[in-house]
Amino acid sequence: QLQLLESGPGLVKPSETLSLTCTVSGGSLSISEYYWAWIRQPPGKGLECIGTFYYNTYSKSSLKSRVTMSVDTSKNQFSLKLSSVTAADTAVYYCARLAVQGVWAFDIWGQGTMVIVSS
Amino acid sequence: DIQMTQFPSSVSAAVGDSVTITCRASQVISSYLAWYQQKPGKAPKVLIYATSTLQSGVPSRFSGSVSGTDFTLTISSLQPEDFATYYCQQANGFPLTFGGGTKVEIK
Repeated sequence: QLQLLESGPGLVKPSETLSLTCTVSGGSLSISEYYWAWIRQPPGKGLECIGTFYYNTYSKSSLKSRVTMSVDTSKNQFSLKLSSVTAADTAVYYCARLAVQGVWAFDIWGQGTMVIVSS
Repeated sequence: DIQMTQFPSSVSAAVGDSVTITCRASQVISSYLAWYQQKPGKAPKVLIYATSTLQSGVPSRFSGSVSGTDFTLTISSLQPEDFATYYCQQANGFPLTFGGGTKVEIK
């Protein structure tokens, strides 16, 4: 059973870069069959798709200038960098697999990791 | 970005009731609309994809449909484990976007 696990600092200072890694276990991180995504949820609020990665990054328009995503298939990991963070970036960050080929839904999720932006 | 307007934002219902949640897209979208259930402190779980296809293992009391640009999730005969927050998500094009969520509470 494929599992995803987010890791990274739980506290980031304003104006710095938030860096998270998602490690895939129980299977391989295939970028030919699936997209890989980062989704966040501010405390008490709804879900926001930051972006998805499939050879290229497809990001939410308002975040595009600050988002970098990459995949390292040799390590079975994909990563997110979000630059110039503010308190508004405080959220639970999830990594997820986007199943395509007639599905186009996030079928596997990590447990989420809380990131607080504060000095 | 495509905006997904989801309503109601919350609904109170009793065990055994039927509940309907609607998502309306800001433009015409394809049938690639999914529904998720999220319980407090947990990651969301996909219930339905491609408007009406039930994810494996999801009870048949969950169903999805579409009428024009309005996509609907219906939960017939609510069970105690169904009290949660539900989200829609469109995949007509990138970036993918979610609705604002509907919290189903116990009456």
